[in-house]
Amino acid sequence: ETGVTQTPRHLVMGMTNKKSLKCEQHLGHNAMYWYKQSAKKPLELMFVYSLEERVENNSVPSRFSPECPNSSHLFLHLHTLQPEDSALYLCASSLGRGGSTDTQYFGPGTRLTVL
Amino acid sequence: KQEVTQIPAALSVPEGENLVLNCSFTDSAIYNLQWFRQDPGKGLTSLLLIQSSQREQTSGRLNASLDKSSGRSTLYIAASQPGDSATYLCAVRHGGTASKLTFGTGTRLQVTL
Repeated sequence: ETGVTQTPRHLVMGMTNKKSLKCEQHLGHNAMYWYKQSAKKPLELMFVYSLEERVENNSVPSRFSPECPNSSHLFLHLHTLQPEDSALYLCASSLGRGGSTDTQYFGPGTRLTVL
Repeated sequence: KQEVTQIPAALSVPEGENLVLNCSFTDSAIYNLQWFRQDPGKGLTSLLLIQSSQREQTSGRLNASLDKSSGRSTLYIAASQPGDSATYLCAVRHGGTASKLTFGTGTRLQVTL
């Protein structure tokens, strides 16, 4: 399988549940990203990992916990979420070497609904 | 703080028309600018990337221009087709090893038969 994959594609959870989103890239990239896309708002960068080290945490609430065990996998662990956290969560990866042509490749996203 | 604005928010055109989508940004100290396409409920696909030293990039029927000093970019789509219907997102990149992008809210394009 090529590109950036995300599982699950859809997730419905209650506010007391714990769940995880998974992202996998098969592109040999060194940087991975989590974005949140809510209706009528720009994509919001949540976390950036470069060579498995978190380099950016964009003031994200602690109920979102990222994990990057290796350069190909990225997780977003969710617990005690709020209904306003319902959104499309997108994962992306890039070569991450700082070149001016460094392009991010996106996965299809996970549509999360918090009841 | 960088802000990216896209106008119009939505656009409907008949097939065959040429059209222009606009993007503006407040901080001209950008590394590059990208245009993405997003189909409903899907991820983003990169269309064109313009480096800060470049004025334009072309790919097929798409042409993107960049005027960094005025904080503006346009995406020109020639001879639009129904398959072009999607949301088009503009994003600017700031420096750093991992490319941090700031996105606009997008223009939702509908090309009708």
